[in-house]
This record gives sequence, C-alpha cells and structure tokens, in this order.
Amino acid sequence: DAGVTQSPTHLIKTRGQQVTLRCSPKSGHDTVSWYQQALGQGPQFIFQYYEEEERQRGNFPDRFSGHQFPNYSSELNVNALLLGDSALYLCASSGRFRGSDPLGAASGGSTDTQYFGPGTRLTVL
Amino acid sequence: AQSVTQLGSHVSVSEGALVLLRCNYSSSVPPYLFWYVQYPNQGLQLLLKYTSAATLVKGINGFEAEFKKSETSFHLTKPSAHMSDAAEYFCAVSFAPGEKLTFGTGTRLTIIP
Repeated sequence: DAGVTQSPTHLIKTRGQQVTLRCSPKSGHDTVSWYQQALGQGPQFIFQYYEEEERQRGNFPDRFSGHQFPNYSSELNVNALLLGDSALYLCASSGRFRGSDPLGAASGGSTDTQYFGPGTRLTVL
Repeated sequence: AQSVTQLGSHVSVSEGALVLLRCNYSSSVPPYLFWYVQYPNQGLQLLLKYTSAATLVKGINGFEAEFKKSETSFHLTKPSAHMSDAAEYFCAVSFAPGEKLTFGTGTRLTIIP
C-alpha cells in the first residue's frame, strides 16, 4: 500500500517566482492537508481540501492557494515567493482508510488520522 | 482556540534510560491528541494518538502516552531508550481526527551511548 507521496523532493526558486508542489494521498484517503515547517519549528497548517474544495484554512496569505483533483491528489501553489517561504512543505492525507492501521486497535479510536508524506524542501534565494 | 506546549526543546537521555517528553495542551473542547516523530530530512511518522478512548495509549516502537485531563497533559514515555529513538518529536492537537493539527514546537531527543 503506497503511502503519501510528494513531488518534487527539493526545489530552488528566486524571489518573486511562483511554485507548484504536488501530493498524492494514501490509497483510500479523500482529504489532503498542507503544512509549512520552517527550520527548527513545528509544522503550521496552511489549508485542507476535501471533495475538491478548501475546507479549512490557516493563517496564510492569499499567495498560498491550492487545488484538489477528482482522484484526490492535490497541488499547493505559492505566488510571488518571499525569502521567508523557504521551508519544508508537508502534505498529509486522511479520510476513509482501507487496510490495516497498526494504531487503530491500540488506541481504540478512529482511523481518520493524518498520515504525512516526506515533504518538499523549498529554498527561495 | 487550541495550543500545544512542549517543555524542553532538547532532551538527552542515556541508552536504556527512561524517556519522558512533555506535552501540555489547551483546548476549548475535548481534544484529540497525537505524537509524531520526525527523523532528519524526513516527514512525520505517527507514534500514537488519543481519541477519547483509553487514557493510556500505546504506540509503535515501545512508546506510550497518558492523557490526564486534570493536568491538561499528554506526556510521551518509553521505559528504555534506544539509539534509534534519536529524532525530533512533535505533540499535536485537533478538534477531531482528520481536522487541522496544531503542533508544538518540538523536542529534539538525543540518546547518549
């Protein structure tokens, strides 16, 4: 069972440019969330997509936008890049989960848990 | 509003010693709590989660955490540290499973041989 995948792995851009990051969710998942993790910090929630619509949004400017496709994959777009946008961008998927969940039985709770991809490292010069 | 406080940005323990990583939360509704681990240059891996079932939660790699409502805490423990436990650990809270996660600032765990 493939986990969450993200592309590209690394990306270098210059200030003012635009970037698109891609995410494919875990098989059976229908919800995708995006997080920004600056160096030495915890991840910060950007937004979440479900049924091709933005469901929740964190405190990020409109330069950050996204899209979800019918196959549940998602893109994160950032316009007019700033130096401060340099970070690890993490995608997480959740929702209906078909398959084994090693923590489901142990925790006694729902399997509707966010599973993270390896991230895309964006450097803005 | 939700928030998470992780006490101690860096924790060092000897191999074989008890690991204790602290997490306190603030939530206006019953929280869903998670611990994730991040190895260098990798994404986040779920260790365990609390979703209003048993207050003592067992996770992977021998880790467990206890939800204490009176103390608003969800500390992570492991009886005996292993070298492979060296990583960054994040506590997170949400209103419900699958909803947005609010993370703490993380605790870097170092294992001393």
